[in-house]
Amino acid sequence: QQQVKQSPQSLIVQKGGISIINCAYENTAFDYFPWYQQFPGKGPALLIAIRPDVSEKKEGRFTISFNKSAKQFSLHIMDSQPGDSATYFCAASSQGGSEKLVFGKGTKLTVNP
Amino acid sequence: NAGVMQNPRHLVRRRGQEARLRCSPMKGHSHVYWYRQLPEEGLKFMVYLQKENIIDESGMPKERFSAEFPKEGPSILRIQQVVRGDSAAYFCASSPRRGAGNEKLFFGSGTQLSVL
Repeated sequence: QQQVKQSPQSLIVQKGGISIINCAYENTAFDYFPWYQQFPGKGPALLIAIRPDVSEKKEGRFTISFNKSAKQFSLHIMDSQPGDSATYFCAASSQGGSEKLVFGKGTKLTVNP
Repeated sequence: NAGVMQNPRHLVRRRGQEARLRCSPMKGHSHVYWYRQLPEEGLKFMVYLQKENIIDESGMPKERFSAEFPKEGPSILRIQQVVRGDSAAYFCASSPRRGAGNEKLFFGSGTQLSVL
C-alpha cells in the first residue's frame, strides 16, 4: 500500500522555468509534510516542509502548496536553475513523537541550461 | 561538526554472506533511523533505535535483518545470508531526541549494497 503518491516520475524544465511536483496522501493522521532533495550519491536533505494549519509556505524560490481537503500538496520551484537538477521526494509523517517518514517514489528533475 | 557518517559507502557481498552496515549519528544525537532505497523507489522506513533500545522495527523484514545501537559505538544494520533482492542503498538518519521534529533529522550519504 503506497501511502504517498508522487508525480511526475521525471520532469525536464528549461532554465528560468517553473518546476511543479505533486503528491497525494491517504493517511489523515499525517500532520507534517516535508520535501527532500537528493543529489546522486548523497542522502536526502530537507528542503522545505509544511504543516496542515497553513495552505502555503515559501522559502526563496521554493513554495509548498497544501490542500488539506484534497489530501494533496505540491512543490513549486520558481526560476529553476541547472543546480536544482536532482531527485525530489515528498514525504509525510505523524508527529506523535516519532520522526518516521513515509516517502513518495521521487521525481527526477532535470533543468536544462 | 561532522554529519551522519555511514560506512562503508559501497559494500559488495556474494549471496549467502553477511552484510554489516554502520552508522555514526551526528554529535549529540541519540536516535537513529534506518531506511532502504530500492532503485527507482523512495526510501522505506526499516527501524528506529535509541541507544540500547529498539523503538520501532515495523519496517524490518522478519528474517535475516537485525539492528542495534549500543551504548558505545555506531548503530549496526546486519543482514544475514544476503540475497540479490537485498541490493539497495541503505540510509541512516539521526535526531537528537524523540519528538525533536523532522527539522532536526539528518541523513547520511548511505551505503550501497550490491549482492552478486
